[in-house]
Amino acid sequence: QVQLHQWDAGLLKPSETLSLTCAVSGGSFSGFSWTWIRQSPEKGLEWIGEVNHGGAANYNPSLNSRVSISVDTSKNHFSLTLRSVTAADTAIYYCARGPERSTWKYSQLWGQGTLVTVSS
Amino acid sequence: IQLTQSPSFLSASIGDRVTITCRASQAISSYLAWYQQKPGKAPKLLVYAASTLQSGVPSRFSGSGSGTEFTLTISSLQPEDFATYYCQQLDTYPLTFGGGTKVEIK
Repeated sequence: QVQLHQWDAGLLKPSETLSLTCAVSGGSFSGFSWTWIRQSPEKGLEWIGEVNHGGAANYNPSLNSRVSISVDTSKNHFSLTLRSVTAADTAIYYCARGPERSTWKYSQLWGQGTLVTVSS
Repeated sequence: IQLTQSPSFLSASIGDRVTITCRASQAISSYLAWYQQKPGKAPKLLVYAASTLQSGVPSRFSGSGSGTEFTLTISSLQPEDFATYYCQQLDTYPLTFGGGTKVEIK
């Protein structure tokens, strides 16, 4: 059974860089889109961005140039980098996978989520 | 694209028919998904393409609509259905979610 597993990022200070990794086990890595989504009481569910099955990245403009998503097919994992974090970036971060070889953008499979707290 | 869900909260009994509405600020054809989230858990995909049930989802769930107005219906509410439900538009980047509808036991 395919699973997505995220590592804890824990506590960050303002201006630091958030790095999260999502490992894919039990199934194929290629041919899927890989997405990061976050959730906070203030903003609800917020789509951060994705790398689609063709390898192109799309990001939420609200995060400007602070965000990047990378895929490592040799290690079956993908990563999120968010630079210059502030308290507004405090949220639960989820990784997710889209449907196989499809242009549909829904998130079919989700990681367990990891809480990221930004505080001085 | 903004998504407005209504109601934001509803109280219902086991066996009730429940309908949740999601309105988009502009037409999105059928590019809409519905998710269910229980406390402390990640969202779970229920419906995509507005009306296609994800594999393994009970048939009491159904989705309908196109353009700007969509509905998620639970035909007979079961104890495991008490959760928060979200819609997501899949038409235009950035993808966006509705504010959620929390379904609680009456």
